[in-house]
Amino acid sequence: EDQVTQSPEALRLQEGESSSLNCSYTVSGLRGLFWYRQDPGKGPEFLFTLYSAGEEKEKERLKATLTKKESFLHITAPKPEDSATYLCAVQQAGTALIFGKGTTLSVSS
Amino acid sequence: GAVVSQHPSWVICKSGTSVKIECRSLDFQATTMFWYRQFPKQSLMLMATSNEGSKATYEQGVEKDKFLINHASLTLSTLTVTSAHPEDSSFYICSALPQETQYFGPGTRLLVL
Repeated sequence: EDQVTQSPEALRLQEGESSSLNCSYTVSGLRGLFWYRQDPGKGPEFLFTLYSAGEEKEKERLKATLTKKESFLHITAPKPEDSATYLCAVQQAGTALIFGKGTTLSVSS
Repeated sequence: GAVVSQHPSWVICKSGTSVKIECRSLDFQATTMFWYRQFPKQSLMLMATSNEGSKATYEQGVEKDKFLINHASLTLSTLTVTSAHPEDSSFYICSALPQETQYFGPGTRLLVL
């Protein structure tokens, strides 16, 4: 069964304390892996798309990497405004996305 | 990035009534839109794929007669929850696909009393 698993479920960091979120997947025919940020009561906001193993993308304090089995979202020196739920999703043939349950990040000052 | 809007953002209705939710792509045309449902502390679950000018494709377990989808133009898809019941209370989110990436609307919170 195709699956997307994110860990940890929740992560508490102090401001400036770098860490990584994990997304492991078991799907056949991966077309792309997506990272989204979701604030409470809002729709997901697009962050990154990764298409092949070894690919990396950066945006401000965030860096996403991809291997054949998992993706990491590295957060460097986080700030309180980085607090949100981070969702990972994979795309197979066609356009439907399979989402993980997300990692809820809390950054305190 | 592409902008997707939803209306209304909040709706409260009585059990047995029908509710219509609109999803619009504001700065691009979308032949395909998606409807998701999200329960508290759960991930997004795809309900259906909406295709402009043709019938929607529903995921297994989603009742097509209960969740009516109309994609009448390249910028508008609507989801109608018919004869809503308390168990239909959820956060409904649409997305649209300008190219390879899905962009999401802000969501609609539905509460059925």
